[in-house]
Amino acid sequence: NAGVTQTPKFRVLKTGQSMTLLCAQDMNHEYMYWYRQDPGMGLRLIHYSVGEGTTAKGEVPDGYNVSRLKKQNFLLGLESAAPSQTSVYFCASSAGGRIEQYFGPGTRLTVT
Amino acid sequence: AQKVTQAQTEISVVEKEDVTLDCVYETRDTTYYLFWYKQPPSGELVFLIRRNSFDEQNEISGRYSWNFQKSTSSFNFTITASQVVDSAVYFCALGGGYQKVTFGIGTKLQVIP
Repeated sequence: NAGVTQTPKFRVLKTGQSMTLLCAQDMNHEYMYWYRQDPGMGLRLIHYSVGEGTTAKGEVPDGYNVSRLKKQNFLLGLESAAPSQTSVYFCASSAGGRIEQYFGPGTRLTVT
Repeated sequence: AQKVTQAQTEISVVEKEDVTLDCVYETRDTTYYLFWYKQPPSGELVFLIRRNSFDEQNEISGRYSWNFQKSTSSFNFTITASQVVDSAVYFCALGGGYQKVTFGIGTKLQVIP
């Protein structure tokens, strides 16, 4: 039982490049989330999903896209990376909308 | 709109001291949940506790205790006899709006040996 896993753990991109972050969970959770963590700003919700095939915008969705084609996976895409997207990205999942979330180990992304 | 305020950005204590981390929240929902998470230096986020708005009983788990007071919209976290392994960033969070959890900015606790 791995919980929530994220791929990759680290990545360096140049401005304008694209990439996809993969999140996988094995807890059969309906809800999945993508957050970014920046110094002094806590965790900010980028996008979330309440079930397979659904996605919704969070607090800071601009510049990101997501897909939830399978219940266990939630992908976060950056189409044209910008230095402002340098951050640590966390994926989380939960069994319900307002109950505890379980987090992946994070992905540290640097955009130069 | 919901809001979580953790006014203490950094706290330093000497090992074995008790320390309380403050959390104040705002919500218009009548039913909501409050959480604490720990983020040690290794970076992962670990769920510690959930409390729903109907349950104002204090909770104790080993050296950890939580004080939920609806009258003051606070959900404070106390570590008794702190240890170096308690050094981490602690986040308070509020699950009030549908499908949304709002996190505070975190309190960094440093326990000095």
